[in-house]
Amino acid sequence: RKEVEQDPGPFNVPEGATVAFNCTYSNSASQSFFWYRQDCRKEPKLLMSVYSSGNEDGRFTAQLNRASQYISLLIRDSKLSDSATYLCVVSNQAGTALIFGKGTTLSVSS
Amino acid sequence: DGGITQSPKYLFRKEGQNVTLSCEQNLNHDAMYWYRQDPGQGLRLIYYSQIVNDFQKGDIAEGYSVSREKKESFPLTVTSAQKNPTAFYLCASSIAGGRMNEQFFGPGTRLTVL
Repeated sequence: RKEVEQDPGPFNVPEGATVAFNCTYSNSASQSFFWYRQDCRKEPKLLMSVYSSGNEDGRFTAQLNRASQYISLLIRDSKLSDSATYLCVVSNQAGTALIFGKGTTLSVSS
Repeated sequence: DGGITQSPKYLFRKEGQNVTLSCEQNLNHDAMYWYRQDPGQGLRLIYYSQIVNDFQKGDIAEGYSVSREKKESFPLTVTSAQKNPTAFYLCASSIAGGRMNEQFFGPGTRLTVL
């Protein structure tokens, strides 16, 4: 299994749709989990941290299932401005670095 | 404003030349990182430093070198030994600690070898 695996997409959805991204990770010792957003030819920006209890930030909800080593991101009421690549990110076993997935591309159309 | 700056934004280099990419942060972060991103690929870790005067190799350190003489600065040198240096280079920083904290990125440098 790859260290961090994501469906590359692209996911093409209309405005207002709900879309979910999934991610699996291989190292059961990982302690930190994040979702980043990367716009075309720009740097990644932190979208949200992911906690075991799940967390929500406006239209975005992140879930973590440690037993299945699975992370999800749900975007409700999609906006045109949500179009970007979403990176699933997990800490390494030593807790000294982050491992980035290749990203899932979202395209929201009007 | 606090943040991370990288310069230059675009860099062109002839084969066989060494080039140094700048990364500066004023966030008072202890840890700094260098990544490389190729088209359609994820970020790959080149080097990282958790404290001044100390750094470790990442997954793809061959052909690269770094220094960490000041907390604010973590320059990356791409040497002529790097066989395929054309890429998007990203610098990041984070608060060091036992738990891996979120990283914040600079705007990146696009290096093209002619």
